[in-house]
Amino acid sequence: ETGVTQSPTHLIKTRGQQVTLRCSSQSGHNTVSWYQQALGQGPQFIFQYYREEENGRGNFPPRFSGLQFPNYSSELNVNALELDDSALYLCASSLGSGDEQFFGPGTRLTVL
Amino acid sequence: GEDVEQSLFLSVREGDSSVINCTYTDSSSTYLYWYKQEPGAGLQLLTYIFSNMDMKQDQRLTVLLNKKDKHLSLRIADTQTGDSAIYFCAESYSGGGADGLTFGKGTHLIIQP
Repeated sequence: ETGVTQSPTHLIKTRGQQVTLRCSSQSGHNTVSWYQQALGQGPQFIFQYYREEENGRGNFPPRFSGLQFPNYSSELNVNALELDDSALYLCASSLGSGDEQFFGPGTRLTVL
Repeated sequence: GEDVEQSLFLSVREGDSSVINCTYTDSSSTYLYWYKQEPGAGLQLLTYIFSNMDMKQDQRLTVLLNKKDKHLSLRIADTQTGDSAIYFCAESYSGGGADGLTFGKGTHLIIQP
């Protein structure tokens, strides 16, 4: 059984650009949650997608948006990148909303 | 808003017990978690406890919850070098549903030989 995978592993962008990060959920999981982990901090909840709909959102501005596809994989899009967006972005999948979350290894985003 | 606090570092000798502490502020927290993060790896769920429980034991791990003081601890018995990692305390009302998980900043566990 394949676990949660994320791509790319690392990414470097410049301020003002846009970025798309991808997550493949574990087989059978219909829920994906995204987290931002800044250096030296704990992960912060961005949003959750359940069956292709946004199911909940943390305290992040609208330039953070997402999608979930019929195969339950997901994308995180960030527009108008700022220096403070530099972080490790983690995705987690679960059988359903409220079930145990299984985390991927993350995408390290650096904004210059 | 909700807040979860942890001390940043803990150093223990190999073979001793490690106790990692956490306090949280949200009295509506229903689920409380301990996650482990090793370099280059994602977060791994170690254990969790419901807010109506006082204690949970799972092999070398013991979780204690003092709901009145909003204090959670993780005890690792017979600490080994492989336990070296960052340990995150987290809480959720919905069990990781629409409100997600709220994490602390993590405690770096350092094992001395």
